[in-house]
Amino acid sequence: EVQLVESGGGLALPGGSLRLSCAASEFTLSNYEMNWVRQAPGKGLEWVANIRSSGSTMYNTDSVKGRFTISRDDAKNLLFLQMDSLSAEDTALYYCNREGYGGTSDAFDLWGQGTMVTVSS
Amino acid sequence: QSVLTQPPSLSAAPGQRVTISCSGSSSNIGNHYVSWYQQLPGTAPKLLIYYNNNRPSGIPDRFSASKSGTSVTLGITGLQTGDEADYYCGVWDSSLTTYVFGAGTKVTV
Repeated sequence: EVQLVESGGGLALPGGSLRLSCAASEFTLSNYEMNWVRQAPGKGLEWVANIRSSGSTMYNTDSVKGRFTISRDDAKNLLFLQMDSLSAEDTALYYCNREGYGGTSDAFDLWGQGTMVTVSS
Repeated sequence: QSVLTQPPSLSAAPGQRVTISCSGSSSNIGNHYVSWYQQLPGTAPKLLIYYNNNRPSGIPDRFSASKSGTSVTLGITGLQTGDEADYYCGVWDSSLTTYVFGAGTKVTV
């Protein structure tokens, strides 16, 4: 089954770090643009970061301000989000997703179930 | 505060039609492809519409979308209780160099 499964969420201290993973099944991550999107409790969706097939990356600089790094391991078909200098404002459910329809659509056609990140002392 | 404006909530009776608007600007909707997502309670978002008005395989034709200038509209006909969800528009914003979502519209049937 084509799917994405996130892991790595949990409780982090303010100023701490977490590394989220997203495992892809039945398709090759590196052939697609991949994204992280988050959703704070009771709030809407917020795009966080993107990595293209080429490996180039983009970030929601207003929100992550150089604190987050998106990457992937092509051999293991894994997507990552390294999150440093965490604050309470980063508390959210983090989804990985895939951009489908040729990479020009800006449409996210496959989503994982999400992994919860809570930043609290 | 999102650069895309959606009504916070809408309601309609079963079998009726509802339209959800999403208003933006030339830096986003006016010059980029818009998508729509449905988020049922407690679940991940699901793609409903891509390339402004195309439905992925498996999405019923009760869902349709249109675009005019810097606004888009999602229409849902023959409303069912299973359509109760949050609906988000999404698009790339070339001024912000960020993908942006509307704040979402909660549809109650």
